[in-house]
Amino acid sequence: DTEVTQTPKHLVMGMTNKKSLKCEQHMGHRAMYWYKQKAKKPPELMFVYSYEKLSINESVPSRFSPECPNSSLLNLHLHALQPEDSALYLCASSQVSGAQYFGPGTRLTVL
Amino acid sequence: AQSVTQPDIHITVSEGASLELRCNYSYGATPYLFWYVQSPGQGLQLLLKYFSGDTLVQGIKGFEAEFKRSQSSFNLRKPSVHWSDAAEYFCAVCPGDSNYQLIWGAGTKLIIKP
Repeated sequence: DTEVTQTPKHLVMGMTNKKSLKCEQHMGHRAMYWYKQKAKKPPELMFVYSYEKLSINESVPSRFSPECPNSSLLNLHLHALQPEDSALYLCASSQVSGAQYFGPGTRLTVL
Repeated sequence: AQSVTQPDIHITVSEGASLELRCNYSYGATPYLFWYVQSPGQGLQLLLKYFSGDTLVQGIKGFEAEFKRSQSSFNLRKPSVHWSDAAEYFCAVCPGDSNYQLIWGAGTKLIIKP
């Protein structure tokens, strides 16, 4: 099973809202990722967790706050977002040094 | 700097015709190589990967790719495309000095003519 699940599928939020994106995998992968993807562009890496510790933060604004409660779950907490943050947010997982498997994404619209 | 080039922004192919999507990378050693496909509004699906060994790699959905070290290329091929293959295709490279960070090509949009 190479499935990564993400909820919600779509999210519309105002600039003062707080919301969270969720990601889950049951492949025993020990690395999990958040990406942001704008239309017609490749995904941009935001965060990497390795063995449940934040390994990479690609200078992402603090209005995005990741959390890895356990080896299967990854959350992205959103607060005070800007309209330019509207994008497809993708979660992925992998073995360390392995291929990354992506979820279907959350389409985020910030009004 | 390390980079991945997909020279074709768009490719149009008739249904049933063969397909080749090009990918070139700039990196000193042999990196890990990947092809992903993305249908509109969907996540990315891994088509195939190359880590080492046989340079001709078989993937899902009838795709294959060939690693050519001398040309720093990893081109994706399919002998006969189907309308359902219309999508965006991304080549990605993981340099040996990073376990996690992929370098992505800009993508090639595949359009299928009926």
